[in-house]
Amino acid sequence: DQQVKQNSPSLSVQEGRISILNCDYTNSMFDYFLWYKKYPAEGPTFLISISSIKDKNEDGRFTVFLNKSAKHLSLHIVPSQPGDSAVYFCAAGTQGGSEKLVFGKGTKLTVNP
Amino acid sequence: DAGVIQSPRHEVTEMGQEVTLRCKPISGHNSLFWYRQTMMRGLELLIYFNNNVPIDDSGMPEDRFSAKMPNASFSTLKIQPSEPRDSAVYFCASSFSAGRAIQYFGAGTRLSVL
Repeated sequence: DQQVKQNSPSLSVQEGRISILNCDYTNSMFDYFLWYKKYPAEGPTFLISISSIKDKNEDGRFTVFLNKSAKHLSLHIVPSQPGDSAVYFCAAGTQGGSEKLVFGKGTKLTVNP
Repeated sequence: DAGVIQSPRHEVTEMGQEVTLRCKPISGHNSLFWYRQTMMRGLELLIYFNNNVPIDDSGMPEDRFSAKMPNASFSTLKIQPSEPRDSAVYFCASSFSAGRAIQYFGAGTRLSVL
């Protein structure tokens, strides 16, 4: 039973365009969400997070949007750069409770020059 | 800071052998997590420790897997005996448990059991 789902295994975009990566969750207890980025042969690295009290968080070219009613979040990368090519993982957890994070299976983003 | 350090980076072993994976968390972090990544199941949590105490081991697949954290700067994940289906990338992560703790990952150990 997947509590965090990333339904697109891969995404390809042109350099300079917007990349939109999507994530859905089923557990309404989740109130904290993170995106991680992973290059080959490296561990995942933290990218950006959002708490359920917000619906948007922005950090440079990266913006995460949260729609609690739809149990959906998305990561926008604008403009996309070839160096953004990586696997992106969505993760969810609960603040103040268990430290466990539940990860999606990831979306492989390819940004073409 | 050197980050989370895992060793070895690659391990190739034969079925039935014992395998020990090692992890050194970031200094000052008090929570440590072991994950396994496979194509089928993605990134799944095996076990996590807080202040060297195992808190949740519900993800440990079976009795062949065991994990220890003898002190704040070292943890091991042991598989005995190993089986081909254990082949995966194993990640260790650490965090400072305080509210919205971000987990920092090591580079992983790629395990191949022949």
